[in-house]
Parts: sequence; C-alpha cells; structure tokens
Amino acid sequence: GENVEQHPSTLSVQEGDSAVIKCTYSDSASNYFPWYKQELGKGPQLIIDIRSNVGEKKDQRIAVTLNKTAKHFSLHITETQPEDSAVYFCAASTHRNTGFQKLVFGTGTRLLVSP
Amino acid sequence: EAEVAQSPRYKITEKSQAVAFWCDPISGHATLYWYRQILGQGPELLVQFQDESVVDDSQLPKDRFSAERLKGVDSTLKIQPAELGDSAMYLCASSLAGPLRMNTEAFFGQGTRLTVV
Repeated sequence: GENVEQHPSTLSVQEGDSAVIKCTYSDSASNYFPWYKQELGKGPQLIIDIRSNVGEKKDQRIAVTLNKTAKHFSLHITETQPEDSAVYFCAASTHRNTGFQKLVFGTGTRLLVSP
Repeated sequence: EAEVAQSPRYKITEKSQAVAFWCDPISGHATLYWYRQILGQGPELLVQFQDESVVDDSQLPKDRFSAERLKGVDSTLKIQPAELGDSAMYLCASSLAGPLRMNTEAFFGQGTRLTVV
C-alpha cells in the first residue's frame, strides 16, 4: 500500500522567514496531494492541495510543488507569521485497491514561528 | 459553514470497558472515514465507508473495534473491550468523493480524545 514520509519532524523559523516541508510517496497511482494544518486540540484543516496533472499551485503565502517522477511534493510558506505555528501533515490519495479515494498521511511537521 | 460533528469531545474510560464515538458528516457527503491519531503521529485510517458500505477496514482491529453507518449518514465507532494502547484522538472525516471520481477535499471533525486508564 501507499507509504508517505515527511521531513522534518520539527521546524523552527523566525517570523518573516520561509519554511519548507517535504514529503515522498511510494504509490505511483496516487494522484491527489492535500496538505493539512492541525492546531492543538483540533482536527486537521485543509490549507492547499494539488492534483497530479499540475506541477505547482500557489495561494497567497502558501505554495505546493509536485514532482511525479521523483514521487515527492513540498509545502512552501513564505513570510511566516506566529499564527502559522501548528503541526502540518501531507497526504497522498489513491483509488488503487478499493476504487475509492483513500488518504494516507505523513507523520507531521511541527512548525514553530518565533516573533 | 457545514461541519463534521463528533461527540463526545473527551472520553475517559477504564480498560476492559466499552466505549463508543459518534460522527455526523457534512450533509451529502457519501464518503466517511474514521482515523486514529496517536499523540505526535499522523492520522491512520481505521475504516472507510461509501454510503452505508464498508470499502476499507483493513487496518481496523476487528477483534475489538466495530463501525457502522446504517443509513449512510451518521456513523458510530465502538471499542470493546478498551485497552490502554487505545488512548488516542479518534477523528472522523467526510468527503464528496465517489468511486473513481476526481479526488475531493476531506473535511475533519474536532475529534474525540480517548484516555484509557
């Protein structure tokens, strides 16, 4: 089945700096890659996603890039702010095996933005 | 704004007792997921429903866990008997995704934090 690896596990940056989180996946049939932000005591919330027919997507300070050949995708946050501090999860989705969308998550990155 | 509702938010139970969690997905969402999230780790899929049918329960410990979605709307996840290692956040999510359709966003509830003592 699909396996998603995520690095780094923790990331500390100064306010205004950029942050990059990287993920790799194993199943070449995966075709949808969402990123979720989880604040303490809450459920994950989608911040951006990308489909396999696109190489890059941007939404204000957040961007995601996808390299299907290498099977890796990355989250880029520019001009970080203290409110960006949270745990970020990448995920990969495939319809393999069941014919239905199945999301497999990475292990998470704890981002700390210091003022 | 439509949300995935889960209850209870917190649950403390003694080992060997039974415990149940409830989830009400966003209206119209055919796909419902139950995930378990151990502290410091990513969510792991326990069971996935398409309408009232289970499409993936390969990671569900079936000797003690059960899940149902009888009318294809809300769902219940049960653990009996609970073990110390079951302490975790149990997350419910729903999406519009159907068979072989374009992938769509999965919306998560706030989760149920289970502590087994």
